[in-house]
Amino acid sequence: AQKITQTQPGMFVQEKEAVTLDCTYDTSDPSYGLFWYKQPSSGEMIFLIYQGSYDQQNATEGRYSLNFQKARKSANLVISASQLGDSAMYFCATKSDTGANSKLTFGKGITLSVRP
Amino acid sequence: EAQVTQNPRYLITVTGKKLTVTCSQNMNHEYMSWYRQDPGLGLRQIYYSMNVEVTDKGDVPEGYKVSRKEKRNFPLILESPSPNQTSLYFCASSPPGGYGYTFGSGTRLTVV
Repeated sequence: AQKITQTQPGMFVQEKEAVTLDCTYDTSDPSYGLFWYKQPSSGEMIFLIYQGSYDQQNATEGRYSLNFQKARKSANLVISASQLGDSAMYFCATKSDTGANSKLTFGKGITLSVRP
Repeated sequence: EAQVTQNPRYLITVTGKKLTVTCSQNMNHEYMSWYRQDPGLGLRQIYYSMNVEVTDKGDVPEGYKVSRKEKRNFPLILESPSPNQTSLYFCASSPPGGYGYTFGSGTRLTVV
């Protein structure tokens, strides 16, 4: 079974500063994917970034980067130059590459508030 | 536009009154799934479907039914809703392998 742990309480960051959202995972699968999603107050799930377990380089997508440390089983999201629109709930998720079910296993989420 | 459409967005119902939440995707995806989101628990999978007429339970299937008669549609059925099914529900679809998930906008259900 897979597990995602997001333990940070509500996070606050000043506009234009960088922030790191923590995520640790537990899996026995040899191949898996790691995802981050953003959920604004409107409720929709917005895909941000993906990292494969065999990828050698950390994934980046615009202002988002994923700090992947496989030995530590961590997949932290780094948001650079925070904007007011980044205020949202952020979910880390993982998916096994084995088995037929393409289930995403989510953490409980972290609330990020960006201060002007 | 590629999308997953859920209806309704909001629903308040009473205990025991059967309801259906519809889900439709226009991407010809074989895989579809339902999740529920509860505070402090993240999203948990209710049911999934690998293809037409192929469905299986996820992690929290009790009290729910699904069907997959057509590739594009994957309705979630609550035959006798109870207050503990008050939640935010998401339908999602993806190509084989599960990379490229598309989520619906969510259905906020309240059972009183």
